[in-house]
Amino acid sequence: GAGVSQSPSNKVTEKGKDVELRCDPISGHTALYWYRQSLGQGLEFLIYFQGNSAPDKSGLPSDRFSAERTGGSVSTLTIQRTQQEDSAVYLCASSSLGTGRNIQYFGAGTRLSVL
Amino acid sequence: AQSVTQLDSQVPVFEEAPVELRCNYSSSVSVYLFWYVQYPNQGLQLLLKYLSGSTLVKGINGFEAEFNKSQTSFHLRKPSVHISDTAEYFCAVSRMDSNYQLIWGAGTKLIIKP
Repeated sequence: GAGVSQSPSNKVTEKGKDVELRCDPISGHTALYWYRQSLGQGLEFLIYFQGNSAPDKSGLPSDRFSAERTGGSVSTLTIQRTQQEDSAVYLCASSSLGTGRNIQYFGAGTRLSVL
Repeated sequence: AQSVTQLDSQVPVFEEAPVELRCNYSSSVSVYLFWYVQYPNQGLQLLLKYLSGSTLVKGINGFEAEFNKSQTSFHLRKPSVHISDTAEYFCAVSRMDSNYQLIWGAGTKLIIKP
């Protein structure tokens, strides 16, 4: 596609429910990143996928968070048993190489509200 | 470990006035430096980056930044702001030794007053 696409753009859920957030990266980009942006905060790294390598999950805040990337393209971030502190904007980015000098291209994000 | 400090959470400035958004970083290894902009309800977009070479880097929309290694700073400047520059600006660094992670500052909201 032309850019990174995320869906849904907004998600309202009740505490305790599971949610799935989707990211469709730029075609051909091998690296994919998930970030969380809480109100008034910078970006918090969650997870990184690069090609067929094992993902770097070091940023996931708890075992309620998981992510997968199917076929090296689309990624899904799943939050189980959501809590109010999970409310944030979840941003996905992709890049062509996944090194520190490479530009990351961002989607518009999914705004998650946990009631 | 690396860290990034954006000293100002908000910077109000009159339209057509100059602006400087400050960014300082801490790192034990050499880094690449980036500025991203986030317009309301949008994702982040790269403004400019410093990888090597000239310490003065020019980006999109008339912005520029200067890398100062001795002061570990990468301040963003624009000589004359426009109402359309209203956005949040994020400074980020990444290690030169192939680490893929960007370490982010907390962001600075640029508020343009008419």
